[in-house]
Amino acid sequence: DQQVKQNSPSLSVQEGRISILNCDYTNSMFDYFLWYKKYPAEGPTFLISISSIKDKNEDGRFTVFLNKSAKHLSLHIVPSQPGDSAVYFCAAGQSGNTPLVFGKGTRLSVIA
Amino acid sequence: EPEVTQTPSHQVTQMGQEVILRCVPISNHLYFYWYRQILGQKVEFLVSFYNNEISEKSEIFDDQFSVERPDGSNFTLKIRSTKLEDSAMYFCASSDVVGHTEAFFGQGTRLTVV
Repeated sequence: DQQVKQNSPSLSVQEGRISILNCDYTNSMFDYFLWYKKYPAEGPTFLISISSIKDKNEDGRFTVFLNKSAKHLSLHIVPSQPGDSAVYFCAAGQSGNTPLVFGKGTRLSVIA
Repeated sequence: EPEVTQTPSHQVTQMGQEVILRCVPISNHLYFYWYRQILGQKVEFLVSFYNNEISEKSEIFDDQFSVERPDGSNFTLKIRSTKLEDSAMYFCASSDVVGHTEAFFGQGTRLTVV
């Protein structure tokens, strides 16, 4: 039962270009969405989030877009840098103390 | 910058043995969680803890698992009798507001059951 799906296990992007990571969800009760970045041998690091009342949230080079009707969100990184190479997890939850549901992650490689 | 600290980074244990994974959450945080990630699979919720009691747990968190906050700083996960399928990365997380949103994760403990 995959409530949160990241269909691309990996993505390679040239340095300076835009990276677009995609995530789909099935549970319409989710009202909060997050992206985490994970380097090897480290825990997930919170990157950016968006609540369901918005369709876009921007923080520096990172922008998350939410399309509620399509149950789809995406993370845009522009310009991509080699240090962005990591596994990116999409996660979703409901307001209140409910568990986060994670996707399987997408490994981003930014090539210099 | 405050961080969640987990020890050990890697634990190897024999099947059937008890193991305790330790976590020091961020000091002013009140909500604590354990997640795990089996190799190649997604991160899965195990348990959340608030006000010295479990507030929610998943079906993974059966009678073999327990959590404790033995003092004001540590948060532990105990697996009473480990099984091969318990091998995974275990992540502790904490947050200062209700909900898992923007929870801060530790670097994880890799548990290998042999």
